[in-house]
Amino acid sequence: AQSVAQPEDQVNVAEGNPLTVKCTYSVSGNPYLFWYVQYPNRGLQFLLKYITGDNLVKGSYGFEAEFNKSQTSFHLKKPSALVSDSALYFCAVRRTDSWGKLQFGAGTQVVVTP
Amino acid sequence: DGGITQSPKYLFRKEGQNVTLSCEQNLNHDAMYWYRQDPGQGLRLIYYSQIVNDFQKGDIAEGYSVSREKKESFPLTVTSAQKNPTAFYLCASQLATGGDYGYTFGSGTRLTVV
Repeated sequence: AQSVAQPEDQVNVAEGNPLTVKCTYSVSGNPYLFWYVQYPNRGLQFLLKYITGDNLVKGSYGFEAEFNKSQTSFHLKKPSALVSDSALYFCAVRRTDSWGKLQFGAGTQVVVTP
Repeated sequence: DGGITQSPKYLFRKEGQNVTLSCEQNLNHDAMYWYRQDPGQGLRLIYYSQIVNDFQKGDIAEGYSVSREKKESFPLTVTSAQKNPTAFYLCASQLATGGDYGYTFGSGTRLTVV
């Protein structure tokens, strides 16, 4: 079985401060890991993914994520948050040896205040 | 431009009615998925299809039906057997179920029972 946990329902950060959204996963074998963002009444948009190689993955809109195998984590980060980063963020995982279904976390609401 | 289109954006259903949500993609993706999103519950998988003329139940298939007669199309019918259909419905597609491909999402359909 595979699962994803996003331990924070909401993250509040002031504009210009660093932003971190946490994600831990549980999967047998090696994982493919993804981050998506959702704005109100919209579909999810792809931000970045980890497949293999460098543990620091860079993605869209200045976001990056760090894969930590020993801690089974894949935290999303942005050095300087913008008000426009306020949205719902989802982490997702699938096993590399299984076919394509992704398992999504419950989502973390990010609120960036001016 | 290639993409995935969901229609309508808003849909209202009377008690006892069946309604069909449209999902069309011109990305030449093999796999397609339907998710339901409720506040605080993340994404829950309703049905998925790896190839044309084949589909599988997800975690919450009761009260829903699908068809996959064409590669481009994966309509979802919400039947009268679905007792609490008010939700935001998301369709997604995936290039192939092998490999490291993520999902491309549509913009969603918000269904409300009146």
